[in-house]
Amino acid sequence: AQKVTQAQTEISVVEKEDVTLDCVYETRDTTYYLFWYKQPPSGELVFLIRRNSFDEQNEISGRYSWNFQKSTSSFNFTITASQVVDSAVYFCALTLGAQKLVFGQGTRLTINP
Amino acid sequence: GAVVSQHPSWVICKSGTSVKIECRSLDFQATTMFWYRQFPKQSLMLMATSNEGSKATYEQGVEKDKFLINHASLTLSTLTVTSAHPEDSSFYICSARGTLYEQYFGPGTRLTVT
Repeated sequence: AQKVTQAQTEISVVEKEDVTLDCVYETRDTTYYLFWYKQPPSGELVFLIRRNSFDEQNEISGRYSWNFQKSTSSFNFTITASQVVDSAVYFCALTLGAQKLVFGQGTRLTINP
Repeated sequence: GAVVSQHPSWVICKSGTSVKIECRSLDFQATTMFWYRQFPKQSLMLMATSNEGSKATYEQGVEKDKFLINHASLTLSTLTVTSAHPEDSSFYICSARGTLYEQYFGPGTRLTVT
């Protein structure tokens, strides 16, 4: 069955530190998509990235980068030079069938000034 | 682009009354929308999948008579919590599916039943 595990429940770092959020997934599908979402204190989930199962290229967007490794079923997210505004709950998600997403439990990231 | 609105953002109602929550895709047509429920410090729990023009598909354990979903147009889905009780108090979030399985989320509705 499809499953997403975010083992880090909470992470707290000091501003400007780099931080990596782990995501490990399980799926029987050969074609699937992985996602990261950010949920700031306001509550609205913000779409950050989509990655399909055939594209293992790492992606960088500003201070954000993602490392997708099929061999270890992982899709980790790194924030470099973290800022207070990065404080949020981050969810990793995996497609479930043709429509749904299954979410991990989320990692609460706190960036302290 | 890909903006989803939700209304109201918060609502307080008395036990036994019904509450309707609207979810709109503002700049794209959404054939599929989803309704989630989120408890404090927990992940999102999918309640139902709503396809335009057809009946919603509910997840196991979700009472379809209590949580009525209507997706009458390509830009609007509604969730009605009927005969609400305090245990229905929660954060309800809708989303609309994009072209490649991504979902765009509304800002959520915080429901408090007194």
